[in-house]
Amino acid sequence: DGGITQSPKYLFRKEGQNVTLSCEQNLNHDAMYWYRQDPGQGLRLIYYSQIVNDFQKGDIAEGYSVSREKKESFPLTVTSAQKNPTAFYLCASSPGQMTYEQYFGPGTRLTVT
Amino acid sequence: DQQVKQNSPSLSVQEGRISILNCDYTNSMFDYFLWYKKYPAEGPTFLISISSIKDKNEDGRFTVFLNKSAKHLSLHIVPSQPGDSAVYFCAASASGGSYIPTFGRGTSLIVHP
Repeated sequence: DGGITQSPKYLFRKEGQNVTLSCEQNLNHDAMYWYRQDPGQGLRLIYYSQIVNDFQKGDIAEGYSVSREKKESFPLTVTSAQKNPTAFYLCASSPGQMTYEQYFGPGTRLTVT
Repeated sequence: DQQVKQNSPSLSVQEGRISILNCDYTNSMFDYFLWYKKYPAEGPTFLISISSIKDKNEDGRFTVFLNKSAKHLSLHIVPSQPGDSAVYFCAASASGGSYIPTFGRGTSLIVHP
């Protein structure tokens, strides 16, 4: 069964701690993306990677970091520098650079207190 | 500044009637448009898309209309069903750019039995 998995579904952290969100895909897609969703804000792009070992900042990259060491994995670290980390985080992938449609994972709800 | 706008945060419709969700965009470079459907605590799923060379695309109960001169698109759902209750995101991409879509803030559709 091909798809995108994100774990865990719910994550709780104390303020000041870094936390890493997992995203794995077995669709053999080249491109992967991280979005953040806040109530009434839609989906905002944090980082994206169009090829292994390369990634680009999105619209709201401050306070986040990523790595893309393997084609199937694109973990996102929410650092203590992110001022408002509590949100719903979505990972997506697409077949390649010149494709429009994205496939989304189920998301991770991060709560920082 | 929002490049993709969904000005109605919510829409309530009776089962069996038509649901019309609207989307406006400002960037004239956008030439491909997508609609995604999202249930609570899940990732969005692709619903339907339209290229700027067309003004209508139909898939079963879902039809998307594009008015390029007005920079406006709409999603029609006929007939609406309770299972259609979800948040609908409009997204727009530019083939001359990164292909990464810009998302609107979403419209929450509630279909009453």
